[in-house]
Amino acid sequence: ETGVTQSPTHLIKTRGQQVTLRCSSQSGHNTVSWYQQALGQGPQFIFQYYREEENGRGNFPPRFSGLQFPNYSSELNVNALELDDSALYLCASGRQGSGANVLTFGAGSRLTVL
Amino acid sequence: QQQVKQSPQSLIVQKGGISIINCAYENTAFDYFPWYQQFPGKGPALLIAIRPDVSEKKEGRFTISFNKSAKQFSLHIMDSQPGDSATYFCAASMHQGAQKLVFGQGTRLTINP
Repeated sequence: ETGVTQSPTHLIKTRGQQVTLRCSSQSGHNTVSWYQQALGQGPQFIFQYYREEENGRGNFPPRFSGLQFPNYSSELNVNALELDDSALYLCASGRQGSGANVLTFGAGSRLTVL
Repeated sequence: QQQVKQSPQSLIVQKGGISIINCAYENTAFDYFPWYQQFPGKGPALLIAIRPDVSEKKEGRFTISFNKSAKQFSLHIMDSQPGDSATYFCAASMHQGAQKLVFGQGTRLTINP
């Protein structure tokens, strides 16, 4: 059983650029969520995808968008990058209808915006 | 009302001692309370979780105590070991809607040998 894998591991962008982060869900899972973890803070929910549609969104602006593909992999896109977007972006997969919000997290993509 | 407050921010415990981390929540609709462990350079990993219909859950050296009336829950690590040194996050979620976890701010635990 493979876990959640994310790419790239690290990346550096400049303010105003756009970034795409990728995630492969754990086998058998059908939901994918994205979280932003600023340095020294707990992860903050960005959004969740289920059946290729957004199924819940946290307090993040529309320039944060995502996709879920038929194979349950996912992308997080961030447009018009700001300095405050520098963080660890975590992908988590789960199984809707399992009766518990048990999520498996990847190791994250660390984004630095200069 | 969506916040989960966690304390302390950092904790140093001697090897063999008991580590205790506390969390409090406001939203009574929360019905699932997991604890995650995160090592540097890694994502959070589920450690143990509890539902509000029980007051305590134990798995090995890890115990969650849950006080529904006080809206508080805590993690106890018995016989703490240097390998337990990590950042611990409490979280809360509702079974309805998106699988959204609301995390506490984290506790950096250091176990001295």
